Amino acid sequence: SQKIEQNSEALNIQEGKTATLTCNYTNYSPAYLQWYRQDPGRGPVFLLLIRENEKEKRKERLKVTFDTTLKQSLFHITASQPADSATYLCALNTGGFKTIFGAGTRLFVKA
Amino acid sequence: DSGVTQTPKHLITATGQRVTLRCSPRSGDLSVYWYQQSLDQGLQFLIQYYNGEERAKGNILERFSAQQFPDLHSELNLSSLELGDSALYFCASSGVIAGGSEQFFGPGTRLTVL
Repeated sequence: SQKIEQNSEALNIQEGKTATLTCNYTNYSPAYLQWYRQDPGRGPVFLLLIRENEKEKRKERLKVTFDTTLKQSLFHITASQPADSATYLCALNTGGFKTIFGAGTRLFVKA
Repeated sequence: DSGVTQTPKHLITATGQRVTLRCSPRSGDLSVYWYQQSLDQGLQFLIQYYNGEERAKGNILERFSAQQFPDLHSELNLSSLELGDSALYFCASSGVIAGGSEQFFGPGTRLTVL
């Protein structure tokens, strides 16, 4: 069956370090992969989109990689800050109308 | 502020009842998506409309239905409510019909079924 897996355990890191979050998928051939940030009780906010023919995308302190052979995306936040503490969701789209979200990984950045 | 509005913000009702959740997409967006988020399930795709027509269905229960009106706002109707329907319901919009672009999420409606 199709599955998207993100670390269910929270990630705790020290301010200033790089946070790396993982998204693995099985039985999908996604055309697009997206990362969203969600704060408690609020709607997800789009961060980055990467296409299947792109290896890497950057936006300010954020970097996403997409390895279709490993079926994995890595999401990096460099020089992390306490304000980066949130849940980060990975989402896949196979080019059709449906976007499937992972359960998310909670990130805590300590000052 | 994403530009997507949802009403009401909170809704408390009893089992067996019916409720309607409303969503107004960002100006110019033709696609509207509905999602359910409960603590143990994550964000679950329910249904998508594009310019008034249903385009994709996820794990939407038969007790749930939705529509998108000519002015592009959308409503999600939940009937014969059960305790397990308690969740956050999000609406999102995008400017394209398919999934290759970002979705803008509203603030959500928190539904509590007692």
